[in-house]
Amino acid sequence: KQEVTQIPAALSVPEGENLVLNCSFTDSAIYNLQWFRQDPGKGLTSLLLIQSSQREQTSGRLNASLDKSSGRSTLYIAASQPGDSATYLCAVTPSPSGTYKYIFGTGTRLKVLA
Amino acid sequence: NAGVTQTPKFQVLKTGQSMTLQCAQDMNHNSMYWYRQDPGMGLRLIYYSASEGTTDKGEVPNGYNVSRLNKREFSLRLESAAPSQTSVYFCASPRQGTGNTGELFFGEGSRLTVL
Repeated sequence: KQEVTQIPAALSVPEGENLVLNCSFTDSAIYNLQWFRQDPGKGLTSLLLIQSSQREQTSGRLNASLDKSSGRSTLYIAASQPGDSATYLCAVTPSPSGTYKYIFGTGTRLKVLA
Repeated sequence: NAGVTQTPKFQVLKTGQSMTLQCAQDMNHNSMYWYRQDPGMGLRLIYYSASEGTTDKGEVPNGYNVSRLNKREFSLRLESAAPSQTSVYFCASPRQGTGNTGELFFGEGSRLTVL
């Protein structure tokens, strides 16, 4: 059974720091890995999607990498800002069967201090 | 373009009452999902619908029923609410076809409290 783990559960950093959030999964047979952001009391917003054939994706100050063989993904946030404070979740979906039943980690709660 | 819309946003029920959570997507996607989010447990799949007219159980289906009314709408019903169903419920739909296939879009959530 696929399990997704995110460590640490919470992280506090000063503004301007570059930081890395980690995501690990137990079964390397994944189709997609997706990173989300969730603000308090809100839904999840898609940040980056990495398909199994890809090694990384970038959007602005965010860069996500994927190493299927080791069951790991990292989300790199450059020059962090207070507005980046949120919970970041990763999720994986197995090989396609017409559905995309993602398995989620429990998230890393990030606080960027001004 | 609203994406995924859920109603209601908040609801308080007494044990044994019933209610239906509504979800609609305007992205012309085939699949729709219902998740629940609980502290320390992440998001867990309740039911999903791969296409109009089909529904299947997810990880935690007990106590829930669903209806895929048409391609746009997917509802979640609690027939006899229990305190263990206090949670935040999310509807989601993945992009299919061209582009970022599988990218998951979420509604804003429905916060349910069962007393």
